[in-house]
Amino acid sequence: DTGVSQNPRHKITKRGQNVTFRCDPISEHNRLYWYRQTLGQGPEFLTYFQNEAQLEKSRLLSDRFSAERPKGSFSTLEIQRTEQGDSAMYLCATSKSIGYTFGSGTRLTVV
Amino acid sequence: DQQVKQNSPSLSVQEGRISILNCDYTNSMFDYFLWYKKYPAEGPTFLISISSIKDKNEDGRFTVFLNKSAKHLSLHIVPSQPGDSAVYFCAASRSDSWGKLQFGAGTQVVVTP
Repeated sequence: DTGVSQNPRHKITKRGQNVTFRCDPISEHNRLYWYRQTLGQGPEFLTYFQNEAQLEKSRLLSDRFSAERPKGSFSTLEIQRTEQGDSAMYLCATSKSIGYTFGSGTRLTVV
Repeated sequence: DQQVKQNSPSLSVQEGRISILNCDYTNSMFDYFLWYKKYPAEGPTFLISISSIKDKNEDGRFTVFLNKSAKHLSLHIVPSQPGDSAVYFCAASRSDSWGKLQFGAGTQVVVTP
């Protein structure tokens, strides 16, 4: 058990480019969540997977955002046509029940 | 809508003294509450939790108190240690919400020697 792994740790991209982040969960954790954290705020819920099924999406997740979890293993979060407002820390968390293990996050900077 | 609020953005406490962090919530459907600790450049780590059927939970130096009528919870750290310097997030969950957490904005704790 090496914890929740997120890659890359940092990403700088130009406005309008597409970016993709990856999350590798703890192997026996069937629940996977994506959160976004901006400066001075707590994490905000984006989406939730139970195994491979995406069961809930926040209204924060605009049409430019898409998340997948093929075969209920790793997950990817893609942002298309990035905007400066997308700059944030993107956190992945996994769990078997209540209470998560978070990854270290991917810090996205859109310039 | 900010359903979980931490109204103190920062707290400074002397080493060895008690740290008290406060959290208020507005949604009476929340039935599970958690505290997370976050160091810079790391993800939040779970600290302690409490179910709404209890009013107190203790784990070593950390105790969480829940006052359901006031929709208020607090985290007590005693004695405070320099390694406790971090941002602390309060979070709340509903049992029918797939484990989704609503977080407060966090309180930065600085423990001084």
